[in-house]
Amino acid sequence: GAGVSQSPSNKVTEKGKDVELRCDPISGHTALYWYRQSLGQGLEFLIYFQGNSAPDKSGLPSDRFSAERTGGSVSTLTIQRTQQEDSAVYLCASSLVVAGTGINSPLHFGNGTRLTVT
Amino acid sequence: DQQVKQNSPSLSVQEGRISILNCDYTNSMFDYFLWYKKYPAEGPTFLISISSIKDKNEDGRFTVFLNKSAKHLSLHIVPSQPGDSAVYFCAASYYTGRRALTFGSGTRLQVQP
Repeated sequence: GAGVSQSPSNKVTEKGKDVELRCDPISGHTALYWYRQSLGQGLEFLIYFQGNSAPDKSGLPSDRFSAERTGGSVSTLTIQRTQQEDSAVYLCASSLVVAGTGINSPLHFGNGTRLTVT
Repeated sequence: DQQVKQNSPSLSVQEGRISILNCDYTNSMFDYFLWYKKYPAEGPTFLISISSIKDKNEDGRFTVFLNKSAKHLSLHIVPSQPGDSAVYFCAASYYTGRRALTFGSGTRLQVQP
């Protein structure tokens, strides 16, 4: 597809259950990001994948959160034992990186997954 | 520790007037700055960017100004249109072998017809 695709668009889950959120980046984009936006808040960085490098996990809020990126393309964000404070819109973005400079093309965001933990 | 700050949560302007959105940052290593616009139920979309080697970048009705000594950037929209009503996020990054963007908390712009 032409843009970043995220699924599901909405997810309602019970507290304590695990959830998986999926992101299909733009083809050829080597950088992939996960952010989340809680109600009334800004965009909070979660994790960043760049090519074959080890991901930058510095934004993950707890060890209940994990993410992987298979084959340098599709990414899955997993939240285990969900809590009510995990309720937020989870946004995925991808971009190109100019080799050797670290300069990213602007991020292209998906429309997000709205997660509601009841 | 908020490294990128947008201190005005909201702004209202009349159609045709100038909208000025402000952003401050604390990390002097940031060397690349961007503005994103976000409509409800959509992901943010890129608007305009500026490198730290410049102090101004213009694209149509949108101009971004960077004042490195003050660690301040601003987005000017002239003339403002009702379709510009959205949440605007500023973002910044620097290179450490890879880059991640740090976003501000956003400013909701309302352009009144």
